Amino acid sequence: VIWMTQSPSLLSASTGDRVTISCRMSQGISSYLAWYQQKPGKAPELLIYAASTLQSGVPSRFSGSGSGTDFTLTISCLQSEDFATYYCQQYYSFPWTFGQGTKVEIK
Amino acid sequence: QVQLVESGGGVVQPGGSLRLSCAASGFTFSSYGMHWVRQAPGKGLEWVAFIRYDGSNKYYADSVKGRFTISRDNSKNTLYLQMNSLRAEDTAVYYCAKDSGTYSSGWPHDYWGQGTLVTVSS
Repeated sequence: VIWMTQSPSLLSASTGDRVTISCRMSQGISSYLAWYQQKPGKAPELLIYAASTLQSGVPSRFSGSGSGTDFTLTISCLQSEDFATYYCQQYYSFPWTFGQGTKVEIK
Repeated sequence: QVQLVESGGGVVQPGGSLRLSCAASGFTFSSYGMHWVRQAPGKGLEWVAFIRYDGSNKYYADSVKGRFTISRDNSKNTLYLQMNSLRAEDTAVYYCAKDSGTYSSGWPHDYWGQGTLVTVSS
């Protein structure tokens, strides 16, 4: 099983801030990493796959980087609709695993 | 448009069984792998199971292996999750999720259902 460490678990920020979320793997996964956004009471939505490819319809203020064991999700200019919980997920090998989640809240 | 509608959730006693269904529409169901993902109340996401587009391969999380069975009926555009020997820790919202790659062995989930709540309690 590939373990994932996602940090921070809670991030307080203001509209307009640049925020960064980290995801570290217990072993290399090449670029088989996805990022999801989830709002309360809703299903998650795919933001980024293949570590850095933006899913269709996702605003360009979201970006992803990294390969191997260390990955980052960046929101360049936080908007009000971006306050949510974010999860990374590895799909390099089964069983797939998710990070523990990062809640982005209003400071 | 793609729609995934789960059903079959409810309250079940520990040790009991339940079968979840996910009715798919708006895409060629038989061309895509499908997943189940769950989320315990107030907790994070946990990937549960995957089935290839043709049902030829299935994979499970260690926490459900031997107790849960994923299956599909491509003639009915429906995905299933048979859950046996249920435990309190299986209490969660269960989502079905579509694989984003055609005929693939697993790609991220580009569409999700609204989820169905399973509560295991005496």
